[in-house]
Amino acid sequence: DAGVTQSPTHLIKTRGQQVTLRCSPKSGHDTVSWYQQALGQGPQFIFQYYEEEERQRGNFPDRFSGHQFPNYSSELNVNALLLGDSALYLCASSFLQGAYTDNEQFFGPGTRLTVL
Amino acid sequence: AQTVTQSQPEMSVQEAETVTLSCTYDTSESDYYLFWYKQPPSRQMILVIRQEAYKQQNATENRFSVNFQKAAKSFSLKISDSQLGDAAMYFCAYRSPTLDGNKLVFGAGTILRVKS
Repeated sequence: DAGVTQSPTHLIKTRGQQVTLRCSPKSGHDTVSWYQQALGQGPQFIFQYYEEEERQRGNFPDRFSGHQFPNYSSELNVNALLLGDSALYLCASSFLQGAYTDNEQFFGPGTRLTVL
Repeated sequence: AQTVTQSQPEMSVQEAETVTLSCTYDTSESDYYLFWYKQPPSRQMILVIRQEAYKQQNATENRFSVNFQKAAKSFSLKISDSQLGDAAMYFCAYRSPTLDGNKLVFGAGTILRVKS
């Protein structure tokens, strides 16, 4: 059973460019969450997708957008890249069973984005 | 909004000894989930242990156990018989049980070094 996969592993971009990161959830999962982890810090929640819609969003600007496909895979897009966007981007998948249930999130290995 | 605080940026332990990592959190909810995640240099976030707030009994997973003090909003991780493979960054995380709160709130992390 494949776990959560992310591509690419590493990416180098320059300021002002746009980037797309990809995530395939664990088999049987229908929800994808994205987190940004700056160097030496804890992950910060960006947004979550369920049924191809953004369900909730963290404190990130509109430059960060996403998409979920019918097969539950997801993309994270970042426009007009800033130096501060350099980070490890983690994708986590879960099965949304409902409220007050243990919707455990399984993480992928992340994509390391460097903005020069 | 919930917050998670890890006051120990770095800890060291001798192989085979016991170490305790601290975590405090702030929330107005009465039901929630707490987690400890391990992130080795490979970057893969791995779930170590989870605790449901409504359960008074402290969770245990092999050499890992927690001390959950709900009134004090404290959630420490004890690692017994430390092994070299335990060296990693450890994150404490909070999750609300509601559907709208289905996101993880992480602390800043504690680097654990294991000495042979």
